[in-house]
Amino acid sequence: AQRVTQPEKLLSVFKGAPVELKCNYSYSGSPELFWYVQYSRQRLQLLLRHISRESIKGFTADLNKGETSFHLKKPFAQEEDSAMYYCALSGSNFNKFYFGSGTKLNVKP
Amino acid sequence: ETGVTQTPRHLVMGMTNKKSLKCEQHLGHNAMYWYKQSAKKPLELMFVYNFKEQTENNSVPSRFSPECPNSSHLFLHLHTLQPEDSALYLCASSPLATGELFFGEGSRLTVL
Repeated sequence: AQRVTQPEKLLSVFKGAPVELKCNYSYSGSPELFWYVQYSRQRLQLLLRHISRESIKGFTADLNKGETSFHLKKPFAQEEDSAMYYCALSGSNFNKFYFGSGTKLNVKP
Repeated sequence: ETGVTQTPRHLVMGMTNKKSLKCEQHLGHNAMYWYKQSAKKPLELMFVYNFKEQTENNSVPSRFSPECPNSSHLFLHLHTLQPEDSALYLCASSPLATGELFFGEGSRLTVL
């Protein structure tokens, strides 16, 4: 069965510190992985996707199939990065998306 | 208005009421979704529509009844709900090919 696990409900770091939000998954096929973000009073939106291999707002994520992980990283956190972050997976046809329970990132000044 | 629009934003209903949630998108997307977001739980996929056809019913109780009259509109009809159905209901659409979901702001439902 498909499952997305985000073990940390809350992560607090100081501005300028590195940040890593953990995501582990289980999926029977070959998954596509995503990170979505929800800033305060805004709707949920795509941050980045594995297939694009891009860096958005300084964030990157590497798919590790051996460890079934897709951790989100940023070397220097900014206060504006404070938000809820959701890891998600889909099959290759993008028909269904499964989300983790989210991690709240709090970047302190 | 661009993007995905959901109405109403807030809804309070009794257990015997019948109400509907509406979702509208004019992004030209082919797929639309209903998700349920409860406190401290993952987003739960409820229904998926591709090209107006329902392709997924994720074991949702029959007191939730979706309707997709065209590719731009999606409804969630609610009937004899339970207090545990109180949650934020999110609608999303997707062009499918890109794998990106576009979410509405949600309808906050409270069942008394």
